[in-house]
Amino acid sequence: GAGVSQSPSNKVTEKGKDVELRCDPISGHTALYWYRQSLGQGLEFLIYFQGNSAPDKSGLPSDRFSAERTGGSVSTLTIQRTQQEDSAVYLCASSLATIGPGRSSYNEQFFGPGTRLTVL
Amino acid sequence: EDKVVQSPLSLVVHEGDTVTLNCSYEVTNFRSLLWYKQEKKAPTFLFMLTSSGIEKKSGRLSSILDKKELSSILNITATQTGDSAIYLCAATNTGNQFYFGTGTSLTVIP
Repeated sequence: GAGVSQSPSNKVTEKGKDVELRCDPISGHTALYWYRQSLGQGLEFLIYFQGNSAPDKSGLPSDRFSAERTGGSVSTLTIQRTQQEDSAVYLCASSLATIGPGRSSYNEQFFGPGTRLTVL
Repeated sequence: EDKVVQSPLSLVVHEGDTVTLNCSYEVTNFRSLLWYKQEKKAPTFLFMLTSSGIEKKSGRLSSILDKKELSSILNITATQTGDSAIYLCAATNTGNQFYFGTGTSLTVIP
């Protein structure tokens, strides 16, 4: 079946260039998360979209990072003027609603395969 | 099709109980298996397993990988309410792609 897809799977870019990473969530999922996985570290939260609400951008590391979600579906993460420390795997996840423990609030979270970004 | 399956989907236990969470994977060119704990926005890293049969421990948590069975378990002993979270399992391949399970929701009741 159709899961969360991300493109490209790999991206190599030169320092200073802009990149766009795309996430196609599962149809009907209202919540969409972007994370970053750097080498040897845990997942770092970047941004969260929930329905038509204003996104939670509290995890974006700098103003070079931005994301949008058009029509409540596809999301694009844009990194401007890339730096070498931006090199990481960027993961997208979607769910029916907010993630949280406990049977009353838990909704399965589906992750995409990630985009591996390498900034030279 | 590469995939990771976790069980159970959700679990409710009392403080002091021991729980075992399961993760099975079918991933071509498998490299490693990772466990995360997710309470709020971002999952926090728990363990990375690459070798079969070697248990990793951190306090009351432990995990082991069985490459023959293509599976891993995460054990939590003497559970506490602070252990309530979603536990995610992910398998990576040699191309550094991630395959996540949908998680096990653990609720620990006082």
